Amino acid sequence: EAQVTQNPRYLITVTGKKLTVTCSQNMNHEYMSWYRQDPGLGLRQIYYSMNVEVTDKGDVPEGYKVSRKEKRNFPLILESPSPNQTSLYFCASREGADNSPLHFGNGTRLTVT
Amino acid sequence: AQSVSQHNHHVILSEAASLELGCNYSYGGTVNLFWYVQYPGQHLQLLLKYFSGDPLVKGIKGFEAEFIKSKFSFNLRKPSVQWSDTAEYFCAVGASGTYKYIFGTGTRLKVLA
Repeated sequence: EAQVTQNPRYLITVTGKKLTVTCSQNMNHEYMSWYRQDPGLGLRQIYYSMNVEVTDKGDVPEGYKVSRKEKRNFPLILESPSPNQTSLYFCASREGADNSPLHFGNGTRLTVT
Repeated sequence: AQSVSQHNHHVILSEAASLELGCNYSYGGTVNLFWYVQYPGQHLQLLLKYFSGDPLVKGIKGFEAEFIKSKFSFNLRKPSVQWSDTAEYFCAVGASGTYKYIFGTGTRLKVLA
């Protein structure tokens, strides 16, 4: 089954404790992206990747890092989480063509205390 | 800069009522347009998309949208909503030839049985 898999689904952590949210897709998609969803703000793009070893900042990249060492994986790293990073995070992927739709993972609800 | 506006933040309708959700975007070039739906507790799924051709596009579950270039709009419509359409709806715009997607802030639709 074609899918984007994120882990974990829920995560509660404390300020400053490094964490990684994993994302994997099995559709051989070139493009992958991370979004955060906050009430009243919709989805905002954090980082995206056009292909292996090619990444770029989205609209809200501060406090986040990403890597794309393999085509299928695109982890999101929070080196020193802060409470304002409490949010619902979605990973998404799509084919290379820019008129292709995004396929989303099931989301990761992160709480930073 | 690109932007997407969804004017209705919350909409409440009775079953069988007609639906129209507004979406306007700001971008001077060629765009790819999408509507996504997020059912409670789930990830976003594609409803429909437009990138060229007939400006009236039909999607899943009886939804349709019309691209009006002169108005920079891509409104979503459904002639008769059902209780199961209760969800949050997001309009998204991708600038053709780029890797960036911009999402609107979403419209929460509640359909009363």
